[in-house]
Amino acid sequence: DSGVTQTPKHLITATGQRVTLRCSPRSGDLSVYWYQQSLDQGLQFLIQYYNGEERAKGNILERFSAQQFPDLHSELNLSSLELGDSALYFCASSAHPTNTEAFFGQGTRLTVV
Amino acid sequence: GQQLNQSPQSMFIQEGEDVSMNCTSSSIFNTWLWYKQEPGEGPVLLIALYKAGELTSNGRLTAQFGITRKDSFLNISASIPSDVGIYFCAGVKNTGNQFYFGTGTSLTVIP
Repeated sequence: DSGVTQTPKHLITATGQRVTLRCSPRSGDLSVYWYQQSLDQGLQFLIQYYNGEERAKGNILERFSAQQFPDLHSELNLSSLELGDSALYFCASSAHPTNTEAFFGQGTRLTVV
Repeated sequence: GQQLNQSPQSMFIQEGEDVSMNCTSSSIFNTWLWYKQEPGEGPVLLIALYKAGELTSNGRLTAQFGITRKDSFLNISASIPSDVGIYFCAGVKNTGNQFYFGTGTSLTVIP
């Protein structure tokens, strides 16, 4: 158990809908990362937050947004969902923004139908 | 995005054999990481490498940070059935602390 908690584990929704994925980092970790894992694209970095502020942005679509709250949990919002958004979404956390030893949650499997 | 190429893509080996896999990039990275992912789980960090030429071990696992900083290697000695999974390399550049993951090597160990 990495200590990173993601909910829900599975999500099935229709195209055009909006969903929110939630992540609680390991106790004491201030930095949260979001990744998308699909069969054809592998693990793609989406966005990083540190202590409530956006730190780095990767291949995140404009339809996606994220935030980190004062209690350090983070949410990833995916809107106007398309079939191609079906993937595993992982959250990872680390103690510091430049700490490369990030620990991953078990992921949320999103299926868009 | 950045592409890290891992090879081989998949491996089927007998229990007890040694395994070698590598990761190459056209870009320079300041940190190389190796993760293992099992079905239904998130990637688990195995080894972190911070300096060019560095050789680091974690039990039966040994990884090296390539001298050119564009590649890394992972070796597993005396493989066992629980080594089964997908192994990912990840490169990290200082800028933005963004991780770039490799395409993965799927390992199957035959008892």
